[in-house]
Amino acid sequence: GQQVMQIPQYQHVQEGEDFTTYCNSSTTLSNIQWYKQRPGGHPVFLIQLVKSGEVKKQKRLTFQFGEAKKNSSLHITATQTTDVGTYFCAGTLIYNQGGKLIFGQGTELSVKP
Amino acid sequence: DSGVTQTPKHLITATGQRVTLRCSPRSGDLSVYWYQQSLDQGLQFLIQYYNGEERAKGNILERFSAQQFPDLHSELNLSSLELGDSALYFCASSVGLLNEQFFGPGTRLTVL
Repeated sequence: GQQVMQIPQYQHVQEGEDFTTYCNSSTTLSNIQWYKQRPGGHPVFLIQLVKSGEVKKQKRLTFQFGEAKKNSSLHITATQTTDVGTYFCAGTLIYNQGGKLIFGQGTELSVKP
Repeated sequence: DSGVTQTPKHLITATGQRVTLRCSPRSGDLSVYWYQQSLDQGLQFLIQYYNGEERAKGNILERFSAQQFPDLHSELNLSSLELGDSALYFCASSVGLLNEQFFGPGTRLTVL
């Protein structure tokens, strides 16, 4: 079936270190969205990437969409304790008109102060 | 606060029972989505409605059904509940079909 794989599942970093999570789809995506879920909270939208090779930045966060629109990454520079949470990528399949997002399994980030 | 409301926050029930979860989307949003989140399955898309019509289906069991009403609120009905249905159920809404989604706080369902 249609899958979006996300790695790693867990990442433990020291505050100040960088963090990257990767997302790969078995099929071409029309767009990819990233969400963050804090412990005990609900997913919160971070960004949407639509164009092949697109790169977007939000302060210390850098999001990339692959040239083939099958993979994406989120990189956080100099992590802070406020970055703690689970980061999900979610891809929309290119032939799907219903806006169905396929979520990756998420990467749980913990930051040690 | 995302603007999406879900009731109830918590629900404890027994196997074999039926429950209804309710969701009110953000004002102006036409799409409503339902997700199930459990520890071992991650965030699973169940179903999407757009302006009252079903638009996409995910891994939704036959024991589960949903609908979106004319006022755009949505209900998710879960019947013949099993222990494995215990999970956090999120509703999300968006303006259109491919836009960013705003998630509600979720309903935690516990089946005993």
